[in-house]
Amino acid sequence: DIQMTQSPSSLSAFVGDRVTITCRASQSIGGWLAWYQQKPGRVPNLLISKASDLESDVPFRFSGSGSGTEFTLTISSLQPDDSATYYCQQYSSYPWTFGLGTKVEIK
Amino acid sequence: EVYLVQSGGGLVEPGGSLRLSCAASGFTFTNFEMNWVRQAPGKGLEWVSYINSGGTIKKYADSVKGRTTISRDNAKNSLYLQMISLRAEDTAIYYCARVSGGGGSDCWGQGTLVTVSS
Repeated sequence: DIQMTQSPSSLSAFVGDRVTITCRASQSIGGWLAWYQQKPGRVPNLLISKASDLESDVPFRFSGSGSGTEFTLTISSLQPDDSATYYCQQYSSYPWTFGLGTKVEIK
Repeated sequence: EVYLVQSGGGLVEPGGSLRLSCAASGFTFTNFEMNWVRQAPGKGLEWVSYINSGGTIKKYADSVKGRTTISRDNAKNSLYLQMISLRAEDTAIYYCARVSGGGGSDCWGQGTLVTVSS
């Protein structure tokens, strides 16, 4: 199975800060990676597919990059509404797997 | 508007079984792959199962393989997850989700809680 390692597990930043979350795959997954945002008590929301394709209605401050085994999710200017847990998911091969999540808090 | 409305779940004893349902509307169900994802209380997301648009290809997480069957009825625009031999560690919120053209899951059901306890 492909293991997805996210870092950091949590972070705290100020409004306006640039925030980067990393996701590493235990083997190459090409660009078959998605990022999700989940707020407490809410359903996950797809932000990015294929490592860098932003879903419609997702603010442009979110971006994704990477290929192979290393990927990043960047929030260019953190906003209060971005307080949430973020997950990466590989869908290169079965079983599909998620990272453990990164909890983002606003200082 | 795209909707996935889930039903089923609840409290079940260890060793028991249940079937979760997911009714789709607002899109052409037959065109989309579907999957199930679960989330144990206070934990992260865990992928459970996948089914292709025609229902001919099915995949499972190791944690549920042999105890779980995913299926779909395209005539009824519905997705199902049948689980048997349930264990305490199967306790979670179960989500059905549509697989987008890009591969991520772009539309999710509201989730249904399955509690395995005596």
